[in-house]
Amino acid sequence: GDSVTQMEGPVTLSEEAFLTINCTYTATGYPSLFWYVQYPGEGLQLLLKATKADDKGSNKGFEATYRKETTSFHLEKGSVQVSDSAVYFCALVLSNDYKLSFGAGTTVTVRA
Amino acid sequence: GAVVSQHPSWVICKSGTSVKIECRSLDFQATTMFWYRQFPKQSLMLMATSNEGSKATYEQGVEKDKFLINHASLTLSTLTVTSAHPEDSSFYICSAIRTAHPNSPLHFGNGTRLTVT
Repeated sequence: GDSVTQMEGPVTLSEEAFLTINCTYTATGYPSLFWYVQYPGEGLQLLLKATKADDKGSNKGFEATYRKETTSFHLEKGSVQVSDSAVYFCALVLSNDYKLSFGAGTTVTVRA
Repeated sequence: GAVVSQHPSWVICKSGTSVKIECRSLDFQATTMFWYRQFPKQSLMLMATSNEGSKATYEQGVEKDKFLINHASLTLSTLTVTSAHPEDSSFYICSAIRTAHPNSPLHFGNGTRLTVT
């Protein structure tokens, strides 16, 4: 079935470090891909998305590129801040459906 | 691991009827649960935050009289879609935070696909 695999955490970084969270997917069709963020004690927020191959989603300094050849959608940020401490979820939805499939989430802690 | 059970997984109902969706945390207590709605090919939209023993907090634009949320215990939250109409057809998903672990990842239910005819 359709699934998302993302790197396990927790990830601990210093401020201004480079962040990468790997995400790969398995899907029978042509999915749209998403990154969601969960700040402590809050619900999910959409961080960015990409709907077709080679699209790049970006928001708040985060970027992810839809790579069909490697079935990946890795999340990156060049210089993290303490306020980026959160749990990040990779997710997909098939083009002919609307059920989201989530990865397990990666907890990121940024230290000052 | 922590499991969230959502029931039913799919439901078809007639226009004008009400539908109740349950979200249960099976092996942990969840003071806070969240309800989301997803439209076809789009991302999730947070509808409301459900806190045990208190009124739910609804996001802007979500009709609280139409989408009734009850969080009567630490392991159960329900979403009732009242007087459903075809435009309410969607995928509804709940998630829960483990009590005393506010920084831990959300745990998601498998979602409920609602079709209103």
